[in-house]
Order: sequence, then C-alpha cells, then structure tokens
Amino acid sequence: EDKVVQSPLSLVVHEGDTVTLNCSYEVTNFRSLLWYKQEKKAPTFLFMLTSSGIEKKSGRLSSILDKKELFSILNITATQTGDSAIYLCAVEGIQGAQKLVFGQGTRLTINP
Amino acid sequence: DTEVTQTPKHLVMGMTNKKSLKCEQHMGHRAMYWYKQKAKKPPELMFVYSYEKLSINESVPSRFSPECPNSSLLNLHLHALQPEDSALYLCASSRPLEGGYGYTFGSGTRLTVV
Repeated sequence: EDKVVQSPLSLVVHEGDTVTLNCSYEVTNFRSLLWYKQEKKAPTFLFMLTSSGIEKKSGRLSSILDKKELFSILNITATQTGDSAIYLCAVEGIQGAQKLVFGQGTRLTINP
Repeated sequence: DTEVTQTPKHLVMGMTNKKSLKCEQHMGHRAMYWYKQKAKKPPELMFVYSYEKLSINESVPSRFSPECPNSSLLNLHLHALQPEDSALYLCASSRPLEGGYGYTFGSGTRLTVV
C-alpha cells in the first residue's frame, strides 16, 4: 500500500526564519510527488517533482526530490505570516495513476 | 477560467435527507475527482471519473452516489448519511503533464450531518 509520511506535524517559527518540511514516501512505481498549501479550504498547488524534474524553485519556496532515499523537502526562506498554512505532500504511482495519496500534512505557524 | 467551482459552500442535512453536491470546471480537464477530508486529516480519495466514466471507487458506501453528466460537471448525491460523514468534500480536476498530472482543487463543501 502506498504511504506518505510528513514531518514535523506542527512547526511554529518567527517571521524571517527559514523552515524545512519533510516528506518520505513508499509507492509502487513512483510517478510524481506534489506539494500543496492548504489555508482554509482548497489545497493550492506548489510544485510537482518527477524523475525528470527533481528540483523546483519559485520565489522563496524550493523543493527537491531524492528518488534514491525516497523523500522530498520543501524549503521556505524569509518566512512571512502569510506562509502560515498546512503543507500537504502527495504521491502518485504509475499503477495508481490519477490516485493521489496524501501525507498527514505539516501545520506551519509563522509568528510576527 | 482556471477554477474548480463547488456548490454549496456549506450544507447541513439530516440523516433522512437527500442532497447533492455540485462541481464544475471549464478548463477542459477530462478527469474529475471527489475527495473527503475530515478535520485535521489529509484528503482521502473517494471517486475518479475519467472521460465521464467512473474509473476508481475507493470502496465508498452506497449512500454516496457520484454522477458525471458531462465533461464539465461532477455531482455527488447524498442519501441517508451518518453524522460521521460530516467533513469537507473537495472536488478536483486534472490534466496530463509531463511525468504526471496537474490537479486543481475546488474550495470544497463543508457538510454537517445532524
């Protein structure tokens, strides 16, 4: 059974700090790993990492995928209060195409 | 239009009621999904429609009945629900990308069963 484990489950930091969120996974025939930010309701897409795209960056956010060790990290630098949210990691295997398996999420709180 | 629109945003229903959740997208995505998210838990897949045909049913109880009338619409019919079915119901659609699928989620319907 495909499995995704995120850590830490909860993190509280001060504005301006840098944070690293972790995601480890077990999936049959890995296809892609996705990061989402969920504030109130809809998860919003951040990154998709695949065999051909193992490093992504957008502004203060970046993510890498280690296919050998089966994990991904999401980095946020110079954090702002607007970064407070739940960050979800999800994986998709080729056999389970169109079936996302989510981790428990990391609840990130940025204090001013 | 780059959104998935869900209605209603909130719904309170009794255990004997029949209600429907609606989801709409006009991005030309040919796969649509229903997810259930309980408080402080990640979303869990319920159903997948691909090209308007049901392709995945994650052993969901029959009191939840999905319907895909056309490529832009997805419904979830609810009947005889239990209080434990109270949750945020998320609709999503997807398009193929290199190496995977790009998913867009709606804002969800927060359902309370009383």
